[in-house]
Parts: sequence; C-alpha cells; structure tokens
Amino acid sequence: VQLVESGGALVKPGGSLRLSCAASGFTFSDYYMNWIRQAPGKGLEWIAYISKSGNTIYYSDSVKGRFTVSRDNSQNVLFLQMNSLRADDTAVFYCARVYGYKEIDFWGQGTLVTVSS
Amino acid sequence: QSVLTQPPSASGTPGQRVTISCSGSSSNIGSNTVTWYQHLPGTAPKLLIQSDTYRPSGVPDRFSGSKSGTSASLAISGVQPEDEADYYCAAWDDSPFGVVFGGGTRLTVL
Repeated sequence: VQLVESGGALVKPGGSLRLSCAASGFTFSDYYMNWIRQAPGKGLEWIAYISKSGNTIYYSDSVKGRFTVSRDNSQNVLFLQMNSLRADDTAVFYCARVYGYKEIDFWGQGTLVTVSS
Repeated sequence: QSVLTQPPSASGTPGQRVTISCSGSSSNIGSNTVTWYQHLPGTAPKLLIQSDTYRPSGVPDRFSGSKSGTSASLAISGVQPEDEADYYCAAWDDSPFGVVFGGGTRLTVL
C-alpha cells in the first residue's frame, strides 16, 4: 500500500493550489479517502472526506467553500483543490485511506503547503 | 481546540506501563469506534489500534486499547525508547459528519 502526495508549494495569500495523492498497492476505487492536515506545532486536523464513488463528500468548517476534494478512480488519484488560501492554511497535508467507511488505516507521507507573502 | 481531549504529555521509564486517555462525547466516541495513531515528526502517522481494541498486524503487543462510554485509553505496557512519539486518538463524529482527533499526547521515555 502506498499513498504519495504531491503539489505542495509556497503560495501567496488569496492564491490557489491543487494537491494530488497517488494511490497504489490496493484497489483505490474500493476505499473512502480523507485529507488531513497538520499546521506547524499543532495537532492533526481532518478537512475532507470523499466516498468511493465521489458522491458523498464532507468538509470541516475551516475549509468549507474554499477547498474541493475529488477523485479519479481510473487513474487512482485523489485531489484537493484549495482556493482563497490564508496564512493559517499553512500545514503538511496528508491523504489517508479509510477502513470501512469511518476509520483511517493508512496515511501518506504528506506534502507541505506554505501560505505567505 | 480539539473535539477529543488528550493530555498534552506523558512520560515513563523503559519497562513502565504508560496510559494515554482520550475523552469525547456521545456523538463521537460514544457511538463510533476509536483509532489510535503514532506519529513521528516528518513521517506518516501509523495506525496502532482500530475498532477500539484491535491491534493490526505488525503492531507490538505492548500496545493495547480500551473504551468505556465516551472515553478511551491507549496503554503501553513496558514502554521502550523507540516509543517516544506523538500519539493521537480519533473517531468519527455523527454531528457534524467528519473525523475528529484529539490534540495529541507527546510521550517522553525518560
């Protein structure tokens, strides 16, 4: 099982960024997925959840209306489109696989997003 | 403020038993299962316990989980120097829908 995030970068406040998470070693379309982040010196924060088909999506209040999660099951990739980025979005972003439909059982190594002018 | 409450720190000497608590509410721990993760800086968090008490293959048997009502605990019986890390509890929350985490507990092995 492998999850590899990419797309992290330095971006200015108000800017946009798209993260990707490439999945391998398992049948991606059989699993719900999450995005979780960790700001510097802080704990883990869940931000988005997407069902196997992409029909069911939930967001945390902190990103609702600014971030969009999606997936391409034909390419085994999970995405996070981030708009209107703010300084407090600075964090390492992890994609994570869901066991069943509620428990996270496997994480990627993360990708760093820095929002600064 | 995290939805689940953990102590910020814990410590023990090698061989000691250490426990980390996690307190929630009826909408998360009280009605869904708890998972525990070990996190070393710069690495992917690792699943230690799922479904409240189940230890996945490859996790040392010194790690165990328990749950009662709206609280859960992670116990490390015979803590080792390599166990020094941050530990997080998590659970699904039914209101509003989503995963909630504890604030994390930094374990120091003295």
